[in-house]
Amino acid sequence: AQSVAQPEDQVNVAEGNPLTVKCTYSVSGNPYLFWYVQYPNRGLQFLLKYITGDNLVKGSYGFEAEFNKSQTSFHLKKPSALVSDSALYFCAVRFLISGNTPLVFGKGTRLSVIA
Amino acid sequence: GAVVSQHPSRVICKSGTSVKIECRSLDFQATTMFWYRQFPKQSLMLMATSNEGSKATYEQGVEKDKFLINHASLTLSTLTVTSAHPEDSSFYICSARGTSGGPRAAQYFGPGTRLLVL
Repeated sequence: AQSVAQPEDQVNVAEGNPLTVKCTYSVSGNPYLFWYVQYPNRGLQFLLKYITGDNLVKGSYGFEAEFNKSQTSFHLKKPSALVSDSALYFCAVRFLISGNTPLVFGKGTRLSVIA
Repeated sequence: GAVVSQHPSRVICKSGTSVKIECRSLDFQATTMFWYRQFPKQSLMLMATSNEGSKATYEQGVEKDKFLINHASLTLSTLTVTSAHPEDSSFYICSARGTSGGPRAAQYFGPGTRLLVL
């Protein structure tokens, strides 16, 4: 079955330290991969996506993610965390290829950055 | 980036009443719109996919007669929760995908509507 997994419910990191939020996927074929962030009582904000090309993708607010095909992973990273990065992060996959396939979301990882 | 709006942002209703939520793509035409619901501290679960001018496709376990979806134009989709019950209380998020870009077309999300059924 095609799926996306975020193995961590919660990630805690000190301000200024690097952060990683993990995401793995299971799919046959080439997926499109996305990261979104959600602040309390708000909709989703797009951070970045991988379609093709360079495995390292840079996105909004200093975030980046690396697509690793052999490990089927797409971990979100940031070199130096800010308290304002504290939010709920979702990894999403779009399993191509028809035009109407929706995004499928992981369960989310709550990031807490401590001052 | 493209903007998707939802109205209302928050609604409280009595059990047994119906509630309509609107989703609009403000600066692009959306061939396809998706409706998700999110329970507290949980992920987004796809409810249905709607294409302009045709019937929505519902995910398994979602009652189509309870969650009526209309996608009458390329910029508007509505979700009507009929005869709402307290267990329908949730955060409903719509998403729209543009007409350009084929399978790579971006998917944009609305800010969500919080429904509380008393």
